[in-house]
Amino acid sequence: EPEVTQTPSHQVTQMGQEVILRCVPISNHLYFYWYRQILGQKVEFLVSFYNNEISEKSEIFDDQFSVERPDGSNFTLKIRSTKLEDSAMYFCASTLVGNTQYFGPGTRLTVL
Amino acid sequence: AQRVTQPEKLLSVFKGAPVELKCNYSYSGSPELFWYVQYSRQRLQLLLRHISRESIKGFTADLNKGETSFHLKKPFAQEEDSAMYYCALSKGSASKIIFGSGTRLSIRP
Repeated sequence: EPEVTQTPSHQVTQMGQEVILRCVPISNHLYFYWYRQILGQKVEFLVSFYNNEISEKSEIFDDQFSVERPDGSNFTLKIRSTKLEDSAMYFCASTLVGNTQYFGPGTRLTVL
Repeated sequence: AQRVTQPEKLLSVFKGAPVELKCNYSYSGSPELFWYVQYSRQRLQLLLRHISRESIKGFTADLNKGETSFHLKKPFAQEEDSAMYYCALSKGSASKIIFGSGTRLSIRP
């Protein structure tokens, strides 16, 4: 059964550095999402992406964040200048139609 | 405001006992309701959704619009049910999912 994959599984970075989190959605899916979960808190929506543009974003998704689908398979989340409070588990998800979103295993981002 | 509330952070029951995980939501409109589960060291996965009205792994959930609740139930808990359970809602097709804070279910042997 196809799955969403994410790399790396764990990323450690220094405050102020740029990070790129990578996701490979399920191949025939059309809608892509990023969520994050700060330790001990709920899973929060960041952004949704469809037809090569952002369809919705949350208040968290400020100018420090960007998303891109650089080719037919990858979907990336870039944080330009990381802050301590960006430390979290970041989940990618995708769906074809309807509402069954399939989640990746997550990337744990640690900002020091 | 759109919100999902799961009042219990941890629920511990004995194997074979009934389980009920509570979920209440706040939403102006008719959302779609879900339960997601995350087993240890595994990814979030959909357990069930209210529109399908099916039972998965013995779990059921009934949408009560009057009480704005979507409680998850299972008559006889099994040890493999131990996991983190998230109630969630979405406003429509391919829309963002809003999650509750989750309930950790622990089944004691």
